[in-house]
Amino acid sequence: DAGVTQSPTHLIKTRGQHVTLRCSPISGHKSVSWYQQVLGQGPQFIFQYYEKEERGRGNFPDRFSARQFPNYSSELNVNALLLGDSALYLCASSLWGLTTDTQYFGPGTRLTVL
Amino acid sequence: DAKTTQPTSMDCAEGRAANLPCNHSTISGNEYVYWYRQIHSQGPQYIIHGLKNNETNEMASLIITEDRKSSTLILPHATLRDTAVYYCIVRGPPGGSNYKLTFGKGTLLTVNP
Repeated sequence: DAGVTQSPTHLIKTRGQHVTLRCSPISGHKSVSWYQQVLGQGPQFIFQYYEKEERGRGNFPDRFSARQFPNYSSELNVNALLLGDSALYLCASSLWGLTTDTQYFGPGTRLTVL
Repeated sequence: DAKTTQPTSMDCAEGRAANLPCNHSTISGNEYVYWYRQIHSQGPQYIIHGLKNNETNEMASLIITEDRKSSTLILPHATLRDTAVYYCIVRGPPGGSNYKLTFGKGTLLTVNP
């Protein structure tokens, strides 16, 4: 079975632009979470979605937004890009609703802001 | 902030067991201990999780102390491909405030030939 897929794999943008990152969960998974990982740090939680509703949000500015579609895929949008937004953006999917709901990660999208 | 404390780095000889410790002294009764690892620039890979009993799967074993304040991840026969950053994470039940995965800096395990 296919794992979590993310697109694109790499992306280069300039300051002030916006970007859309995409994620397809593992088949049967209904929850998607987004994480940001800057160089040298562990991943930081941005959002979690389940059944198209936001179920959790990390400490990120309003420039970051996301949505989940009826097929459970998801998009992460970042507006007015800053140099500090350069990072690996990770998507994770899970079943949701179980007491032990394991999240499985995709390979990530490497965003470089110039 | 992460609720766990791990050593910054560890070394292990190829073929030997790697024992990675983690302290989580403030863990609550309904919180699980999860372990992930991340090989350079790849997405984190799930290894194992547990509540209070010891757990074993094809990748590793997880030993949780009786008071649940610490745990040890054991890779029984480390290979060079096990070189990675290992994250120990305490996580609450779905829908709760601690449901998200909160990563610390993890332990860089280097397996030497």
